[in-house]
Amino acid sequence: SQQGEEDPQALSIQEGENATMNCSYKTSINNLQWYRQNSGRGLVHLILIRSNEREKHSGRLRVTLDTSKKSSSLLITASRAADTASYFCATVVLHTGGFKTIFGAGTRLFVKA
Amino acid sequence: EAGVVQSPRYKIIEKKQPVAFWCNPISGHNTLYWYRQNLGQGPELLIRYENEEAVDDSQLPKDRFSAERLKGVDSTLKIQPAELGDSAVYLCASSLDFSLGQVSSYEQYFGPGTRLTVT
Repeated sequence: SQQGEEDPQALSIQEGENATMNCSYKTSINNLQWYRQNSGRGLVHLILIRSNEREKHSGRLRVTLDTSKKSSSLLITASRAADTASYFCATVVLHTGGFKTIFGAGTRLFVKA
Repeated sequence: EAGVVQSPRYKIIEKKQPVAFWCNPISGHNTLYWYRQNLGQGPELLIRYENEEAVDDSQLPKDRFSAERLKGVDSTLKIQPAELGDSAVYLCASSLDFSLGQVSSYEQYFGPGTRLTVT
């Protein structure tokens, strides 16, 4: 089962515009991570935000976390054609035997040059 | 630094045949994961190893899937016999997993995956 649900499923924007993707989850988390996957490639870690944090920045990326609403958002500012990829949120939850990472179904972002 | 290495990159087999995937994690990473990713979906965990111990294999279909991680380094995932529904991308990932009490802080490094097609 997938705990994280991304919204929208697909997003198409012009280069230079901002892209916002949302992730909702169901159970309490230890931390939440965002990953990017280019076509036919493995996933690449972008950013991690802990459950006691509300906002984090990394370059053109801004992530927010609202634990009361069980949701997170990823903002990519000044998008580039190279940002075209699928973006996944992954929730890390405490589980029998340690921690477990659960990925959502992803948002497919297409940035038009 | 070399990343996670997987082989083969692509595999086409007929149903009922066996297949095996190999993964070499990043040197020093104690945790290794096998995921299955269906088209248009996120990765789903099959099994997680901490060193040579399988600590979470609850999602592994044990009637046909098996995995091993010898000496806590390389790992092999096997399917026998393969079914049509096994067609997917099989991803291996590794992490330097450390936990301080109830806080976990790690990122996973993924290999390029093996695309399996069962005909």
